Amino acid sequence: EAQVTQNPRYLITVTGKKLTVTCSQNMNHEYMSWYRQDPGLGLRQIYYSMNVEVTDKGDVPEGYKVSRKEKRNFPLILESPSPNQTSLYFCASSLWQGASYGYTFGSGTRLTVV
Amino acid sequence: SQQGEEDPQALSIQEGENATMNCSYKTSINNLQWYRQNSGRGLVHLILIRSNEREKHSGRLRVTLDTSKKSSSLLITASRAADTASYFCATDPSGGTSYGKLTFGQGTILTVHP
Repeated sequence: EAQVTQNPRYLITVTGKKLTVTCSQNMNHEYMSWYRQDPGLGLRQIYYSMNVEVTDKGDVPEGYKVSRKEKRNFPLILESPSPNQTSLYFCASSLWQGASYGYTFGSGTRLTVV
Repeated sequence: SQQGEEDPQALSIQEGENATMNCSYKTSINNLQWYRQNSGRGLVHLILIRSNEREKHSGRLRVTLDTSKKSSSLLITASRAADTASYFCATDPSGGTSYGKLTFGQGTILTVHP
């Protein structure tokens, strides 16, 4: 089944403890992206990647890192999480440059930083 | 600010009725897309309409696009309780260096009562 898989689904962590949210797609998509969703603010793009080793900042990149060493994986790294990073996170992928073909989204990771 | 703005913010109807949601946007676009999100889950791509198209159908969905008014509408006919979800429009801006970044609106919460 074609899908984007995120892990974990839920995560509670403490301030400052480094964490990684994994994202993997099995559709050979070139384009991958991370969004966060917050009440009243909608979905905002954190980082995106157009291909292996090609990543760039979205609208809200502060406090996050990403890497794209393989085409299928696009992990989101929080080096020192803070409470304002409590949010619902989504990974998405698309065949090429995302928008022309529509995104496939993962099921989301609900992160709570205390 | 969000490129796409949905209207209304919330819509409550009875099963069998039609539901219409509107989306307005600010800049020129390559295409506009509609997504559905069940509570706390990932977004699901419903339909994409390109800037040179005026209307598109997919099953019980009908999307219109008016680029002169920078607006789109999503019509769901013969609604079912299972259609209860949040619906988002997303725009792919033309020109610039958007690199396929979709910009999402705040969404319309649709509730369909059995």
